[in-house]
Amino acid sequence: EDQVTQSPEALRLQEGESSSLNCSYTVSGLRGLFWYRQDPGKGPEFLFTLYSAGEEKEKERLKATLTKKESFLHITAPKPEDSATYLCAVQALVDSSYKLIFGSGTRLLVRP
Amino acid sequence: NAGVTQTPKFRVLKTGQSMTLLCAQDMNHEYMYWYRQDPGMGLRLIHYSVGEGTTAKGEVPDGYNVSRLKKQNFLLGLESAAPSQTSVYFCASSYTETSLYTFGSGTRLTVV
Repeated sequence: EDQVTQSPEALRLQEGESSSLNCSYTVSGLRGLFWYRQDPGKGPEFLFTLYSAGEEKEKERLKATLTKKESFLHITAPKPEDSATYLCAVQALVDSSYKLIFGSGTRLLVRP
Repeated sequence: NAGVTQTPKFRVLKTGQSMTLLCAQDMNHEYMYWYRQDPGMGLRLIHYSVGEGTTAKGEVPDGYNVSRLKKQNFLLGLESAAPSQTSVYFCASSYTETSLYTFGSGTRLTVV
């Protein structure tokens, strides 16, 4: 069964304290892995897409990496405005069409 | 640039009542999706559409119906609401099945 698991469920950091979020997956027919940011009361907002093992993408304080079994979202020197829920999703072939399968997210709180 | 607009934003229903959630997109996207988001479970696909006049079942379709009479609109209906349908509902659209999804801001539905 296709599955996406994110850890930890919640993470509290002090401003400037770097850390990583994990997304592990077991899917067949993986086409790509997506990271989204979701603020309270809003829809997911796209951050990155990764397509192959070894690929890395960066945006400001965020860097996403991909291996054959998992992806990491590294947050370097976070600021309070980075507080949000971070969602991982894999695009996989399900019933002859590509679908996004989401993890349950990591709630990040960055304290000043 | 409105993107994906969902109405209403909030709704409280009594058990057994019916309602329709509206999703409208102005990006000429072919694909549209309805997800529900519950605590600890991530986003789960309810129904989707690959073009005007088409609909298909997702992971959790029971208790919901959809229609796509116009390309820009995707309606989600609850014929007889149940407390288990209390959730936040998100609509998304994409140009193709593998292109980036754009999400709406969600509808928070409570069934009492």
